[in-house]
Amino acid sequence: AQSVTQLDSQVPVFEEAPVELRCNYSSSVSVYLFWYVQYPNQGLQLLLKYLSGSTLVKGINGFEAEFNKSQTSFHLRKPSVHISDTAEYFCAVSEWCGRTGNQFYFGTGTSLTVIP
Amino acid sequence: DAGVIQSPRHEVTEMGQEVTLRCKPISGHNSLFWYRQTMMRGLELLIYFNNNVPIDDSGMPEDRFSAKMPNASFSTLKIQPSEPRDSAVYFCASSLLTGGVGNEQFFGPGTRLTVL
Repeated sequence: AQSVTQLDSQVPVFEEAPVELRCNYSSSVSVYLFWYVQYPNQGLQLLLKYLSGSTLVKGINGFEAEFNKSQTSFHLRKPSVHISDTAEYFCAVSEWCGRTGNQFYFGTGTSLTVIP
Repeated sequence: DAGVIQSPRHEVTEMGQEVTLRCKPISGHNSLFWYRQTMMRGLELLIYFNNNVPIDDSGMPEDRFSAKMPNASFSTLKIQPSEPRDSAVYFCASSLLTGGVGNEQFFGPGTRLTVL
């Protein structure tokens, strides 16, 4: 089974500053990687995903993430954050498990607070 | 498509009462997931269905919880009897799983359950 680690539970950052949210996973067997965002009182919304191909993935709202197989990481970055980026961010890993199909594993989330 | 639909959006009930949460997945999706989110435990997978069949229910906390998916367009999560510690936001998500490709999950808006 996979484990997904988001080391930073809370990340405060000033508006217009860059931000990186870290995500590491445990197994480098063929996996698929996702970042989700959850705004207050809402469900999770997909930011971006890596299935194959280029290791740099661009998503919505100016976010991007880089898949690093050797470090089993999938860190999320944004060069300049806005107040509206304040939300909870979840990293997720999907792997094919044969009989049970795709298993999804979510990290514990990182709360991003953008300070005016 | 309207996305994943959950009802009710809010439910307040008294301890001991039966609670039924409902979910309509996105048309054409073949997998459905029930999650519970609390501050203490984060996002937990309760159960997931593939082609209406329960595949993994290891996250269901105890016998008071049951889930059904009678057809491809409807699922229920029932708690009987409910307890205050069941208070949480319950999310339903659906996905289209196709042979080994890790497709993303689409989340509903959630049901906020309060058990008094």
